[in-house]
This record gives sequence, structure tokens and C-alpha cells, in this order.
Amino acid sequence: DAGITQSPRYKITETGRQVTLMCHQTWSHSYMFWYRQDLGHGLRLIYYSAAADITDKGEVPDGYVVSRSKTENFPLTLESATRSQTSVYFCASSRIIGTQYFGPGTRLLVL
Amino acid sequence: AQKVTQAQTEISVVEKEDVTLDCVYETRDTTYYLFWYKQPPSGELVFLIRRNSFDEQNEISGRYSWNFQKSTSSFNFTITASQVVDSAVYFCALSEGIYNQGGKLIFGQGTELSVKP
Repeated sequence: DAGITQSPRYKITETGRQVTLMCHQTWSHSYMFWYRQDLGHGLRLIYYSAAADITDKGEVPDGYVVSRSKTENFPLTLESATRSQTSVYFCASSRIIGTQYFGPGTRLLVL
Repeated sequence: AQKVTQAQTEISVVEKEDVTLDCVYETRDTTYYLFWYKQPPSGELVFLIRRNSFDEQNEISGRYSWNFQKSTSSFNFTITASQVVDSAVYFCALSEGIYNQGGKLIFGQGTELSVKP
């Protein structure tokens, strides 16, 4: 029972490069979410998805792109990474009106 | 605007002391959920509890208890007889738009609890 997984767990990249963070859940949850965690800001929502092919912006969507072609996957792409996107990224999933369960996180460093 | 405030940034206690973590929230929704998550030093986010806005009963789970008061918009978390393993960052969170936005979570800043032996 894998639950929700994220890959890679650690990533170092350079400014301007494209980076994709992967999220996979085995619960068939309808909803999936991406948050970023920064010191002094707690966790903030980047994007969320209600179902395959349905996505919407959260609080801090600029510089990020998401897609959801399959219910179980919700990749997050940084089209042109910037230093301000250095953060810890958490993916979460939930049933409709359910508790969100989080993946282990991806630590991203943009040089 | 929806908001969660955890005024205590850091708390340090000695093992076996009781400790209460405060959480105050603001919301326009009449139906909402409140949550507590634990983030141990290993970094993952662990779900602790969910309460809905219609259920103000306090809850106890082992050494953990939660006090939900709508009148003061507070959802406080108490650890009784704290242990070193309780050392972590604790986040309070509020769901937003549970019927049409998937219950997006708005997090407080977190309270870092350090329990010393």
C-alpha cells in the first residue's frame, strides 16, 4: 500500500531550467493538491485538481504549470526555475470533502 | 478573508509537562473543517485530527486532546505529559470551500515544540 509518493525526493537545478516534480497516489482520490513550504510562510497552495483534466490555481500559482491526465498522477512543472522557487514541495490527495494526506515532500534547490 | 493564526512560534518544555498549542481562525464559511498536522524532524506531514464546524465536542486521543470553541474561533491542542518524541512543528489548518473547491487548506505558520529530557 504505497499511498502517496513523490519523486524526486531531492533535486538541485539551475536558474532557467525546467523541472518537473511527480506525485502519484494509489487511493483513487478525486482531489490532489500541491503546496510549497517556506520558512515564515507555512504551507501555501500552488494548484489543485478536482479530477482528471480539471485543475485550478491556488494562492501562489505563478511560475508553475500542472496537468492531470490520469486520476493517480499530478505532476508539477516549473517552466523556468527561479531562486525564489527553492522550497519544499508537498503533494496531497483527498476524497471529496475528505482529509488531505500528504506525500513525503520534495526538497528543491535552485542555484 | 480566511486565516489561521498560531501565535506561538516556538515552545520549549521539559518532559512530562503539559503544553497547549493555540490556534485561532477566521472564515466566512458556515461549514468548514479544522485540522492539526504534525511535522517531525524527518519532514513528513502527519495527520492528527479533523473536526467539522458542527461538532464542538472536545476530543481526547491518548495524551492528545483538542478543544474546539466556535464562540472564540479557536481550536487548541493540548499534549499531556509531553515526551521527547512529541518534538515537532505542529500546524493548524482550515479547509476552504469544502463543497466546491475540494476543501483547500489554509495553514497557520506552525508552532515548533521542543520537549527536553
